[in-house]
Amino acid sequence: EVQLVESGGGVAQPGGSLRLSCVVSGLTFRNYAMSWVRQAPGKGLEWVAAIGASGGSSHYADSVKGRFSFSRDNSKNTLYLQMNSLRAEDTGVYYCAKGLLPYTGSYADYWGQGTLVTVSS
Amino acid sequence: DIQMTQSPSSLSASVGDRVTITCRASQSIKTSLNWYQHQPGKPPKLLIYAASGLQSGVPSRFSGSGSGTHFTLTISSLQPEDFATYYCQQSSTVPTFGQGTRVEIQ
Repeated sequence: EVQLVESGGGVAQPGGSLRLSCVVSGLTFRNYAMSWVRQAPGKGLEWVAAIGASGGSSHYADSVKGRFSFSRDNSKNTLYLQMNSLRAEDTGVYYCAKGLLPYTGSYADYWGQGTLVTVSS
Repeated sequence: DIQMTQSPSSLSASVGDRVTITCRASQSIKTSLNWYQHQPGKPPKLLIYAASGLQSGVPSRFSGSGSGTHFTLTISSLQPEDFATYYCQQSSTVPTFGQGTRVEIQ
């Protein structure tokens, strides 16, 4: 059974930082691109970032470019999303998902349960 | 970025109804279009990939069609577990989602 388990969410002040993690099991992790997708309260889904299978390439939404950094450790089957210079509009549930690498026609067939990030003073 | 526009934004329907949701892309995406179902407190669930491919385990009452800029998701006979928000998502370039269509009980 494929499982994606996020952690690291919580409350941060504007301008602060958080690091999200996502542990993946049940598939050959090193073979797949992975992404983060978020949902702000009362809003729709927004793709945030993607990383290639080897970790050599990463892509970001304009809304987080320069502030967020996506990495992976294929020896630990783990993804990391380092979120700096947080803003109120970064508040939401963050999902890790398999797939959604830009320009590849891919889709997200497995999702984690999500972790809540709240940016507030 | 390619903009995705869904219609309607919400709809009310009864169990057994046929439901159709439309998604339009701001430029051609060929068939790089996926559909997800999202229920409160759960992660999104992939229903349809590449415009018309039925994801494994998804009931056959769900179907997708379209190409270029116009796509549809059809639920042939709405079931109680289908009340949810549905999103289209293009994967031709940087992924973008439609704003969602909420399907409510009439």
